[in-house]
Amino acid sequence: ELKVEQNPLFLSMQEGKNYTIYCNYSTTSDRLYWYRQDPGKSLESLFVLLSNGAVKQEGRLMASLDTKARLSTLHITAAVHDLSATYFCAVDFGNEKLTFGTGTRLTIIP
Amino acid sequence: EAGVAQSPRYKIIEKRQSVAFWCNPISGHATLYWYQQILGQGPKLLIQFQNNGVVDDSQLPKDRFSAERLKGVDSTLKIQPAKLEDSAVYLCASSSARTIREQYFGPGTRLTVT
Repeated sequence: ELKVEQNPLFLSMQEGKNYTIYCNYSTTSDRLYWYRQDPGKSLESLFVLLSNGAVKQEGRLMASLDTKARLSTLHITAAVHDLSATYFCAVDFGNEKLTFGTGTRLTIIP
Repeated sequence: EAGVAQSPRYKIIEKRQSVAFWCNPISGHATLYWYQQILGQGPKLLIQFQNNGVVDDSQLPKDRFSAERLKGVDSTLKIQPAKLEDSAVYLCASSSARTIREQYFGPGTRLTVT
């Protein structure tokens, strides 16, 4: 079965702190996506990770992919309120269809 | 470049009624997807089209859901008859091999079945 698991499901953190969201998946893939979703909005693409060891950074967010461990991380550096949202990882298991994780609802507290 | 367009944005219907959603993908994108996102969950794929052909509809509840993409561009998703558990956001996405098959999502249609 193709499964994608994220943890934590909920994350409340203070501004200025660092934290990491984890995404584990069940079987081989070298194509993983991170999306952001604001309440009532659609999905905004953040990162596309296409190979083992891939690392992408945009502002305070950095994503990495370890295909051998079947693990991706989304690291948040010095969080600011604007980063409050739900973050999804999604895996393409080789069939051009995405299997999404459960999402991590991130709340940044001033 | 215009993004993925969907309409309507919101729809409220009673159970057992029918409803249809429309999607216009990004120009030139051959692959089109419909996802269902229930509140508090990640999107779940319902159907995938390549041009006007169905690639995968294994998770589409075919007793009540149908979808078509007649000319390989626009697509419609229909529910008939609707059930309470169909309340969700229906997202359309499109992708192209020219853009590493990254999926771009539309704004979604929020369906409430009462």
